[in-house]
Amino acid sequence: AQKVTQAQTEISVVEKEDVTLDCVYETRDTTYYLFWYKQPPSGELVFLIRRNSFDEQNEISGRYSWNFQKSTSSFNFTITASQVVDSAVYFCALSAVNSGGYQKVTFGTGTKLQVIP
Amino acid sequence: KAGVTQTPRYLIKTRGQQVTLSCSPISGHRSVSWYQQTPGQGLQFLFEYFSETQRNKGNFPGRFSGRQFSNSRSEMNVSTLELGDSALYLCASSLEQGARTDTQYFGPGTRLTVL
Repeated sequence: AQKVTQAQTEISVVEKEDVTLDCVYETRDTTYYLFWYKQPPSGELVFLIRRNSFDEQNEISGRYSWNFQKSTSSFNFTITASQVVDSAVYFCALSAVNSGGYQKVTFGTGTKLQVIP
Repeated sequence: KAGVTQTPRYLIKTRGQQVTLSCSPISGHRSVSWYQQTPGQGLQFLFEYFSETQRNKGNFPGRFSGRQFSNSRSEMNVSTLELGDSALYLCASSLEQGARTDTQYFGPGTRLTVL
């Protein structure tokens, strides 16, 4: 069974502060993918990043960075110098191929980030 | 390239009615998945279609059904609506499905309210 836990329900930071969103996952699959999506108030989920289980290199993209650690089953997301436009709900997701050969995607419950000007 | 489009964006129905939602994937994408998002249950997978065949199904009652057409467009149908079906229904498309796990790109969703 797959499970994704985002323990932080809501986070508030002041603009320009750094913020880290936590994601812990469970899976028995050895091959899997991890994702982060952003859902602004408009409702559309926006893809941010995808990592596969064999690539533990951390990644930085502008103000965003991701820390993937298989040893602790975590895939944390950091926003540096937060901006008001970063205010949204962020979802971590896990995808693996099930026994039938088809993709199964499990989402965490989301972390609502509020950046205060 | 146009993104995933969903119609209608908003819908109000009454209990017992049925509803059909539509999703047009990104051009070239052959896989379409549907999700239900509610405050209580979060994002839950409904089903996935690939090449007009349902290949994967979540844990939802038979009142929820769908289909995919030869142009990859997909429709989702909910019959005998219940109050608990009020939700944001999201459609996602990806290039292919099966042995690979592809990035899914989401549409803006259809917000269904059941009165």
